[in-house]
Amino acid sequence: GAVVSQHPSWVICKSGTSVKIECRSLDFQATTMFWYRQFPKQSLMLMATSNEGSKATYEQGVEKDKFLINHASLTLSTLTVTSAHPEDSSFYICSARRTGVGANVLTFGAGSRLTVL
Amino acid sequence: RKEVEQDPGPFNVPEGATVAFNCTYSNSASQSFFWYRQDCRKEPKLLMSVYSSGNEDGRFTAQLNRASQYISLLIRDSKLSDSATYLCVVSLSGNTPLVFGKGTRLSVIA
Repeated sequence: GAVVSQHPSWVICKSGTSVKIECRSLDFQATTMFWYRQFPKQSLMLMATSNEGSKATYEQGVEKDKFLINHASLTLSTLTVTSAHPEDSSFYICSARRTGVGANVLTFGAGSRLTVL
Repeated sequence: RKEVEQDPGPFNVPEGATVAFNCTYSNSASQSFFWYRQDCRKEPKLLMSVYSSGNEDGRFTAQLNRASQYISLLIRDSKLSDSATYLCVVSLSGNTPLVFGKGTRLSVIA
């Protein structure tokens, strides 16, 4: 079955530093990946849609200069939280849509829990 | 109005009980519907897709009412392992992002 690997699973960093999160589709090619953020007891909120070979599409209210997304290959998308602050502490989850059959089913990575001190 | 609304719960039910969750969505053009399950501090996992005619997968039955823009999930013979948050998920088409409800928390008690 489709597997999405996300790293790191958790990270603690100091305020002002940048953190990179990787999302890989291990056994399929993903032209589109999605980045979500989930605060405690809240729903998953879409941050951006990552498209291989082109610029990401950001949702309203998400700063593209703060959350840098790179989707350089069909199996890898990265999210970099730049100059992280405590309010960026959250659970970040990537997901990938498998092309072809069942294309609307998303496979999620295990998530990355970010804590900014 | 939120795009996808769910009763957050929690629903506390004894083992063996039948429990039903409801969900409403605001965009009448929505085409795809799902129920996902999310365990505490884990990623969501697809439980089942929801089809117009309704569908069943073991103890789980999903129903869709397009006229009322309403989706339901029925769990029969609840198990302790069913304890989780159940997310109602909607999308406009095969290429648009999924929109998640806030989730309904279920606790099955021995």
